[in-house]
Amino acid sequence: EADIYQTPRYLVIGTGKKITLECSQTMGHDKMYWYQQDPGMELHLIHYSYGVNSTEKGDLSSESTVSRIRTEHFPLTLESARPSHTSQYLCASSEPNRPETQYFGPGTRLLVL
Amino acid sequence: SQQGEEDPQALSIQEGENATMNCSYKTSINNLQWYRQNSGRGLVHLILIRSNEREKHSGRLRVTLDTSKKSSSLLITASRAADTASYFCATAPRGGGATNKLIFGTGTLLAVQP
Repeated sequence: EADIYQTPRYLVIGTGKKITLECSQTMGHDKMYWYQQDPGMELHLIHYSYGVNSTEKGDLSSESTVSRIRTEHFPLTLESARPSHTSQYLCASSEPNRPETQYFGPGTRLLVL
Repeated sequence: SQQGEEDPQALSIQEGENATMNCSYKTSINNLQWYRQNSGRGLVHLILIRSNEREKHSGRLRVTLDTSKKSSSLLITASRAADTASYFCATAPRGGGATNKLIFGTGTLLAVQP
């Protein structure tokens, strides 16, 4: 298992609330990623980061935003949650020497009522 | 549509049997990877095969890659109940640059009956 952590694991929240999903890794990896995955479906890349102060949009448009102030942390924020944001959010990272392989956190299951 | 399409969508076998899953993709790739996802968990990297390789083994896993057909297969031999999970292929498109972005397939849900 990789040393990459996500909190909370499960979140049920009402429409309009601001939420932040935390992701942290203790492996010193430079690249980090956020994926969105609906039940039984493929993963879609929504954000990624090359390193500190670097953030890029992924292939799937998302209303969420991310920040990368420290190497270890890559939090994802939704300013105003909506039911359409209900999904599983997976964070991943990759190391400089083996950038092809990504290590995943356990995910956060978000339910917006 | 997504780069990776996998079949079958679901597969149920008995313990001890072999399981084969297939993945097709659309664009040129640098490498193709297989990941496993247990229910409600994150993905775990299983094996990577580069575009210039045709076959790779890791324990009970055997992966083949046919770049002319843009397809790959994952074979799990002597399956165990603990192999029950969803299996995803992921491709690293050629020209993807420094991002090392992966494009995931739709996944195959494998159920191994004890």
